[in-house]
Amino acid sequence: DAGITQSPRYKITETGRQVTLMCHQTWSHSYMFWYRQDLGHGLRLIYYSAAADITDKGEVPDGYVVSRSKTENFPLTLESATRSQTSVYFCASSPTGKNTEAFFGQGTRLTVV
Amino acid sequence: DQQVKQNSPSLSVQEGRISILNCDYTNSMFDYFLWYKKYPAEGPTFLISISSIKDKNEDGRFTVFLNKSAKHLSLHIVPSQPGDSAVYFCAASFNNAGNMLTFGGGTRLMVKP
Repeated sequence: DAGITQSPRYKITETGRQVTLMCHQTWSHSYMFWYRQDLGHGLRLIYYSAAADITDKGEVPDGYVVSRSKTENFPLTLESATRSQTSVYFCASSPTGKNTEAFFGQGTRLTVV
Repeated sequence: DQQVKQNSPSLSVQEGRISILNCDYTNSMFDYFLWYKKYPAEGPTFLISISSIKDKNEDGRFTVFLNKSAKHLSLHIVPSQPGDSAVYFCAASFNNAGNMLTFGGGTRLMVKP
């Protein structure tokens, strides 16, 4: 399917476990982003990537790791999940890095118990 | 401290009437402002934007107004339709750069038939 897809859509994990959220886009967009959405905070940028093998921190990177070995994939890993990481996670991609040209995935709802 | 705030968590409007969603920001360095629309279980979608060199931008039923001196922007939807019912996020950035996007907490708009 064309577009940007996230998997899984829902995930429950235990505190201390490692969990990886997947993001895949079919447009070959250079830029990809990971956000988390928490009530009252809107979306906050975790990490972003301008191209394969280039990643950089956003506003709230602590506790997260990303990689981008291929242009189309941008996985987000929580190395040791904490309850404060319970959130809805959105991946986005953009051909130019501009916000007006960004497309978001459907989100992954992660619950850490 | 939130740099972008949407002080109304929800708004209810009758179909056909005007919807006005408000947003305030504190950082005077922001020079590009966006509105996103989000339906349940979907990612946000870009709706309309405005550069700080303008005070109004219109796209069909949607108009965004920017008051730089008051650090305030608003989204007007005229006429409102039931399909407009969604959460609306205001966001601010520097140069429309995706890695510099700060979101407000969102306003849930309900348009009643």
